[in-house]
Amino acid sequence: GIQVEQSPPDLILQEGANSTLRCNFSDSVNNLQWFHQNPWGQLINLFYIPSGTKQNGRLSATTVATERYSLLYISSSQTTDSGVYFCVVMTTDSWGKFQFGAGTQVVVTP
Amino acid sequence: GAVVSQHPSRVICKSGTSVKIECRSLDFQATTMFWYRQFPKQSLMLMATSNEGSKATYEQGVEKDKFLINHASLTLSTLTVTSAHPEDSSFYICSASGTADFSGNTIYFGEGSWLTVV
Repeated sequence: GIQVEQSPPDLILQEGANSTLRCNFSDSVNNLQWFHQNPWGQLINLFYIPSGTKQNGRLSATTVATERYSLLYISSSQTTDSGVYFCVVMTTDSWGKFQFGAGTQVVVTP
Repeated sequence: GAVVSQHPSRVICKSGTSVKIECRSLDFQATTMFWYRQFPKQSLMLMATSNEGSKATYEQGVEKDKFLINHASLTLSTLTVTSAHPEDSSFYICSASGTADFSGNTIYFGEGSWLTVV
C-alpha cells in the first residue's frame, strides 16, 4: 500500500514562531487532507488539498502532486496550535480508506 | 457542515465485558462508515469498512469476532468490542460518507471514543 511519511516527528516552537511540516507519499493520490488532533483526541480537518495551495488564517498548505509531497505552514504559532498534525491520503483504488501518516507532534510554548 | 457523532466519548469497562460504541451521521445518510483505531502516541489504523445493510469488511489482522460492526441503518454504525481485555484499550474513531464522491472530500470524522479496559 501507499506509504506516507511525515517530518519532523516532533516539533517544539515558541509562541509566535513559524514552522513547516512535510508529508511525502509514495504513490499518486486523489485525496490529501491535513488534520489537527487536539489533546482531547478530536480530529479537526484543516485542509482538503490534493493539489495546489490553500490558506486559512495563519495556516496554509501546498501540495505538489507530481512530486508527491505536501507542506503545511503554521505562522505566528499559538499555544492552541499544540497537538498532532496528520497528513492523510487516499488513492483511487481504495476509496474512503484513508492512510494516515505517523503525524508530527507540535508543542507550542508560551 | 456535516456532523458525525460518536458515543460514548469515554468509557471504562471491566475485563471480559463487552462495550458498544456508536457512530451516527446527524444530518446526512451515510452509506459507508469506516472504523479506525489509534494506539497511544501512534497514528490511526483502519480497522474495517462498514456498508449499510451488508457485512463489514475487515482489514488484515483485525479480528472480526472480537470487533463486531453493525451498520443497520443509513445513520448508525456500531462497533462492539467483545470480551474486552486491557490491550483493547485505545482510541476508536469513525468516519462516514454520504455520497459516491470519489474524491473522498465528503468524508467526515467523528469525535472519537476513548476505551479503557481495567
